[in-house]
Amino acid sequence: EDQVTQSPEALRLQEGESSSLNCSYTVSGLRGLFWYRQDPGKGPEFLFTLYSAGEEKEKERLKATLTKKESFLHITAPKPEDSATYLCAVQPPRGGSNYKLTFGKGTLLTVNP
Amino acid sequence: DGGITQSPKYLFRKEGQNVTLSCEQNLNHDAMYWYRQDPGQGLRLIYYSQIVNDFQKGDIAEGYSVSREKKESFPLTVTSAQKNPTAFYLCASSIGSFSGANVLTFGAGSRLTVL
Repeated sequence: EDQVTQSPEALRLQEGESSSLNCSYTVSGLRGLFWYRQDPGKGPEFLFTLYSAGEEKEKERLKATLTKKESFLHITAPKPEDSATYLCAVQPPRGGSNYKLTFGKGTLLTVNP
Repeated sequence: DGGITQSPKYLFRKEGQNVTLSCEQNLNHDAMYWYRQDPGQGLRLIYYSQIVNDFQKGDIAEGYSVSREKKESFPLTVTSAQKNPTAFYLCASSIGSFSGANVLTFGAGSRLTVL
């Protein structure tokens, strides 16, 4: 069974204090890894898709990277508005259902002013 | 603006009642999904539909039913057979691809509470 583990479960930062969130997975032959942001009481919002080891994507203060076993979401100089739960999901390799993503439990990020 | 509309946002149900959650999308996406989210757990797939008039069970389909009569609509019925229905329900859609990346667009969610 595919496993996706996110760490830490919760992270509290001061404004401007850079850090990273981790997403490790056991899927072999990953077809895609996704990062989403979810605000309280709302639906997840898509951030990035990563396809292969070594790939990086950036958006404002966020940068996502991918290795063969894990992905990192780096947050540089975070602001209070970056506070949210960040979800990671993996898409099974060819042969598995393309429609059945496996989600991690998320990391709750709090950025204090 | 294109998007996904879920209704109602909050719903209360008495034990033994069936309730239906609405999901409508105007993104012209082929695929639609229902997920359940509980505190401390990842999103779990209830049902998904790749195309109109077709749907498949996800990982936790017991006690739920769906229909896909129109491309834009994918309602979810939570039946009395669902033993622990209190949760946050998320509808999503995607272009739908058998080989490419499957990026999901989510609705705002519906919170169901059993009284």
